[in-house]
Amino acid sequence: AQKVTQAQTEISVVEKEDVTLDCVYETRDTTYYLFWYKQPPSGELVFLIRRNSFDEQNEISGRYSWNFQKSTSSFNFTITASQVVDSAVYFCALSDPSGSARQLTFGSGTQLTVLP
Amino acid sequence: EADIYQTPRYLVIGTGKKITLECSQTMGHDKMYWYQQDPGMELHLIHYSYGVNSTEKGDLSSESTVSRIRTEHFPLTLESARPSHTSQYLCASSTDLFKSLHFGNGTRLTVT
Repeated sequence: AQKVTQAQTEISVVEKEDVTLDCVYETRDTTYYLFWYKQPPSGELVFLIRRNSFDEQNEISGRYSWNFQKSTSSFNFTITASQVVDSAVYFCALSDPSGSARQLTFGSGTQLTVLP
Repeated sequence: EADIYQTPRYLVIGTGKKITLECSQTMGHDKMYWYQQDPGMELHLIHYSYGVNSTEKGDLSSESTVSRIRTEHFPLTLESARPSHTSQYLCASSTDLFKSLHFGNGTRLTVT
């Protein structure tokens, strides 16, 4: 069985602070896929990143960076110099080797509030 | 710019009413999904479709039904709404495997 844990239910930071959102996963598969999605107040989920289990390189995209640590089963997400527009709920998700959305398990999400 | 559309955005109805939540996508994606999301909770898959005339139930049991007569259209129907159906319903689509999901902006349903 797959499981995704986002222990931080809510985080509040002041604009320009850095913030890290934690994601810990459980799976028996040796091949799997990890995702992060952003859900702004408008409701839709926006895809941020997909990472397969064989690629442990950290990734940076602008102010966003992801730290994948297979040894600790974690896939943490850092926003540098946060902005008010970053306020949203962020979901971490795990897929089985098929990579199919049919087998996608979501965490319960972290509500990030960035205060001006 | 959204390529997957859900209507209505908000819906408040009384118990026992029949409702249909609409979902359409213009990307030609074969795979479409319905997720249910309670406030502050994770998403749960309730229905999915791998193509026209193909529908399956997801992990979370739901009294709703779906149909897929056209590639671009994947409506969800509740024959008799109950307060327990109050939730947000998110529609999504994807192309092949290993691809990310594209989500609509959801329908917030309240059954009184």
